[in-house]
Amino acid sequence: GQNIDQPTEMTATEGAIVQINCTYQTSGFNGLFWYQQHAGEAPTFLSYNVLDGLEEKGRFSSFLSRSKGYSYLLLKELQMKDSASYLCAVRGIAVTGGGNKLTFGTGTQLKVEL
Amino acid sequence: GAVVSQHPSRVICKSGTSVKIECRSLDFQATTMFWYRQFPKQSLMLMATSNEGSKATYEQGVEKDKFLINHASLTLSTLTVTSAHPEDSSFYICSARSVNSGANVLTFGAGSRLTVL
Repeated sequence: GQNIDQPTEMTATEGAIVQINCTYQTSGFNGLFWYQQHAGEAPTFLSYNVLDGLEEKGRFSSFLSRSKGYSYLLLKELQMKDSASYLCAVRGIAVTGGGNKLTFGTGTQLKVEL
Repeated sequence: GAVVSQHPSRVICKSGTSVKIECRSLDFQATTMFWYRQFPKQSLMLMATSNEGSKATYEQGVEKDKFLINHASLTLSTLTVTSAHPEDSSFYICSARSVNSGANVLTFGAGSRLTVL
C-alpha cells in the first residue's frame, strides 16, 4: 500500500518562497505528482517526477529523491492566488483492471498573506 | 489541453433516491477513468477504476452495489449513487488519464457536490 505525509497547513508572505514537503512509503513507485486544488474545485496538475532531481516549470519546481522517499514542491514569487491546497500523489505499479493508480496525500493548505 | 467534463456540478436529493453523475472526456478517448470522493478538508480517496467495456474495479471498503459505475464508451463513464443517505454527501470527482508535458497525468473533472437531505 501507500502512505503519504504532508504538513497540514503552511503560511507564507506574498513575494516569498515556500517549500512544501512530502514523504512517502510505497510498495511500488512509478512517479510522483503535485496538484493544486482551490476550495470547491477539481485539482489541477502542476508537476511530475519519476527520476531523482529537480524539475522546474516557471515559478514552480518539484524535487524527488526516490532513495529517501521524499519530494518537495517549491513555489517562488508567491502570489495571493497561490493560496490553495497542494496535493502530493504517488503512482503505483500497474495492476490488472485499469492501470496505474494515484494515491493522494492529505494535502497542504497554503495561505499567502500580504 | 485535455478536458474532462463532469455533470452535474451540484445536486441535492432526498434520502433514498438515486443520483447519476456523468464524466466525459472531451477531444480524447479514455479507456480508463477514475472516481474519487473527497470529504471537507480531506484528500481525494479513490473509489473505483472504471474500465471501458468491462466491470469497474472497486477499492476496498467501497460498496459496488451502492456505487454503480458504467463505462459504456471511450468518452463517458457514469457513477450512480443508489439509495443515497446523508453520509453519502460528498464531493465526487472523476478523472481520466491524458498526456501532459510528456507524462501520463490525471486530468480531473470539475467535481460534483452531492448533498443528501
